[in-house]
Amino acid sequence: DAGVTQSPTHLIKTRGQQVTLRCSPKSGHDTVSWYQQALGQGPQFIFQYYEEEERQRGNFPDRFSGHQFPNYSSELNVNALLLGDSALYLCASSSPYLLAGSYEQYFGPGTRLTVT
Amino acid sequence: DAKTTQPPSMDCAEGRAANLPCNHSTISGNEYVYWYRQIHSQGPQYIIHGLKNNETNEMASLIITEDRKSSTLILPHATLRDTAVYYCIVYPGSGNTGKLIFGQGTTLQVKP
Repeated sequence: DAGVTQSPTHLIKTRGQQVTLRCSPKSGHDTVSWYQQALGQGPQFIFQYYEEEERQRGNFPDRFSGHQFPNYSSELNVNALLLGDSALYLCASSSPYLLAGSYEQYFGPGTRLTVT
Repeated sequence: DAKTTQPPSMDCAEGRAANLPCNHSTISGNEYVYWYRQIHSQGPQYIIHGLKNNETNEMASLIITEDRKSSTLILPHATLRDTAVYYCIVYPGSGNTGKLIFGQGTTLQVKP
């Protein structure tokens, strides 16, 4: 059973460019969340997708947008890249079948984005 | 902001128990304590969670104080592969609609 997969592994972009990152959730999972992790910091929540809609959003500008497809996979798009967008971008998925209080998120290995 | 406070770093000898503390003095009655860890260059990995009772699984034990204001994650026999950043997270227990709020975590260094 494949876990959460992300592509690409590494990416180098120039300021002002646009980037798309991709995520496939763990089999059986229908909810995908995206996090940004700057060097030396904990992951910061960007947004969450469920039933192809953005369900919750963190404190990130509109340059960050996403999409979820009918097969539950997801994309994260970042427009007008800034140097400060350089980070590890993590995708996490979770199951719809939850026991009370159970909220295990399964994380992918991340995409390392470098903006020059 | 994270609702938890953890020491920035800890060392542990290989084979010994690693005890990682977490303070969550403002925790609400319906909030659970979750622990994740992140090994270098990998995504975070779920370890364990609990509400008010002590919990144990194949990876670790979680001890929550009676007043629920603090907890301790115990790795009973730490190995070099347990070297990682450990995050203590408080999360409301209803459904999967929420976001995980990570703090800075504790960097655990297991030494031979």
